[in-house]
Amino acid sequence: AQSVTQLDSHVSVSEGTPVLLRCNYSSSYSPSLFWYVQHPNKGLQLLLKYTSAATLVKGINGFEAEFKKSETSFHLTKPSAHMSDAAEYFCVVSDNNFNKFYFGSGTKLNVKP
Amino acid sequence: EAGVAQSPRYKIIEKRQSVAFWCNPISGHATLYWYQQILGQGPKLLIQFQNNGVVDDSQLPKDRFSAERLKGVDSTLKIQPAKLEDSAVYLCASSLGQALDTQYFGPGTRLTVL
Repeated sequence: AQSVTQLDSHVSVSEGTPVLLRCNYSSSYSPSLFWYVQHPNKGLQLLLKYTSAATLVKGINGFEAEFKKSETSFHLTKPSAHMSDAAEYFCVVSDNNFNKFYFGSGTKLNVKP
Repeated sequence: EAGVAQSPRYKIIEKRQSVAFWCNPISGHATLYWYQQILGQGPKLLIQFQNNGVVDDSQLPKDRFSAERLKGVDSTLKIQPAKLEDSAVYLCASSLGQALDTQYFGPGTRLTVL
């Protein structure tokens, strides 16, 4: 069975400082993993995805994530936060057979000026 | 490329009333999904279509929810009768329908049941 745990419901950082959003997954086999971002009143937008190629995945807007099988983690990072990064972020694990997504509960990122 | 379209964007109804949501996926996308996102939670899959056939509806409350995807393109999701706990954002997503595909999401319909 597939599941995702996002370890922090809220993260607050100052503009220009690093961002770390944590995600642990559980999967019966080699998973595909995604990070999506949801800005208020907007649809979910794909940030990046891991599909068993390079373990360090680069996404849009300077975000990246590293797949660590030994730790069953897929944490999202960004070196320097921008005010526009304030949003809710969802970690997702996919059932590769049917392309079924399992969402985490989300992490709300607040960026302080 | 046009994205996933949904309407209406907002809907307010009273409990026991009926409501319907519409979704137009990205052209050429074989797989269509309906999700329910309750405030403070991640989206939960309600139903998944592959073309006009149902792949998974295990979490759809079938006593009150129904969905169809006639002709394998547009889809409608209906709730009849609505309950207070149905207040949520209903998201539609689509993908090409192959393994490891990215799902593309619409803006959602925010339903408030009073």
